[in-house]
This record gives sequence, structure tokens and C-alpha cells, in this order.
Amino acid sequence: QVHLVQSGAEVRKPGSSVKVSCKASGGTFTNYAISWVRQAPGQGLEWMGGIIPILDTANYAQKFQGRVTITADKSTSTAYMELSSLRSDDTAVYYCASSPRRSIPPPWDYWGQGTLVTVSS
Amino acid sequence: EIVLTQSPGTLSLSPGDRATLSCRASQSITSSLAWYQQKPGQAPRLLIYSASSRVTGIPDRFSGSGSGTDFTLTISRLEPEDFVVYYCQQCDSSPWTFGQGTKVE
Repeated sequence: QVHLVQSGAEVRKPGSSVKVSCKASGGTFTNYAISWVRQAPGQGLEWMGGIIPILDTANYAQKFQGRVTITADKSTSTAYMELSSLRSDDTAVYYCASSPRRSIPPPWDYWGQGTLVTVSS
Repeated sequence: EIVLTQSPGTLSLSPGDRATLSCRASQSITSSLAWYQQKPGQAPRLLIYSASSRVTGIPDRFSGSGSGTDFTLTISRLEPEDFVVYYCQQCDSSPWTFGQGTKVE
């Protein structure tokens, strides 16, 4: 059973960046992929991108290309999502999600608890 | 990008009722569809994958069906804890899109 624990809530000003972490336990980090999904207040779910840690290969949704960077630190079993040039409409809960496969595509069996990122001046 | 349209947006039922949730894809995704349940303040939970395979530990009152472009999640007898939001997700091609959700109230 994989357990994903995310970093705490963040408040940022427009134009700045934020980096959210997702620490995995209960499994072998290099045996699975991590994706990032966000959910604006009262809205649906949106995939941002994902990474296969064993390959250090990341894949991004076109909407976020150039603004999001997903990385993984195999030594600490932690994945990171950094979003830059923040706008007010980036205010959302950001989730990491994982499947017990070395590939990014869903379905995703395991989810972090979510990290609220608030963008406000 | 594959667009998923869920209907209805809100389903008003009572405990013990049968719930039928629909998800339609903008193009064929064969059986590459998952269903998630999301309770308030919680992360989504995977219920069904490959359109009809139930995740281990999910009650058998949840079932999925469909292929191609039309899919259904059925909850045979609603329990009080089932009155939350359900999302479908296509697993056919990137970007991995979700439907807008159906709230069961």
C-alpha cells in the first residue's frame, strides 16, 4: 500500500512561484509514476503532468507547458511540482497521485491529501 | 483532447435507491475509463477502472459498464455515505481528462 504525504498549504502573490512536495512511503518509489492533479474551489479535476522517477522523465499537459516543472528525488522518495508565474486562477488544491506501474497514465490508485495553494495580492 | 460529459450534474435520490450516472466521451476510448468518488475535503478515491473492473475493497453495490463513448456507473442501493461527487476519467490518451462530476444528493 503506497502512502503519499504532501507539504502544507501555501500563500503566494501573483507572479511568484510555488513548489509542492509529495513524499511516498510503503512501496518502492522507482516502481511507480507520480502525477499532479489540481482542483479549483468548487470545480472539477485537472491533470497537470506526471513523472516516472526511475527514468526521470516528465510529461506535461499542454495547458501548463512552460509554467510547471515536475521533478523527483529518488533518494528521499519525494516528487515535486513547481508552478511559476502564478495567477489568481491558480488558486486550487493540488494533489499528487500514483499508480503501481512505471507509467504515467491513469487510473491512479493512491492520492495525497492535497495541498491548498492560494494566490492573492 | 478528449472531452468527457457527465450527466446529470446533480442526481437527487434517497437511501436505498438505485443511482445511474452517465459519462460520454467525445471520441471512442474503448474501455479506458475510470470512476472516482470524492467526499468533501478529501482526495478522489478510485472505484472502477477499465470501465467495469471494481477496485479491491470497493463494495459490490458499485458497478461500471460501457465501451466506446458511453459509460455508466451504477450504485445499486444507495447508502448514506454514497451521497457525494463522482468523476469519470479517460485513460486512453494524454491529457488525462476528467468529466465535470455528478453530485448525488
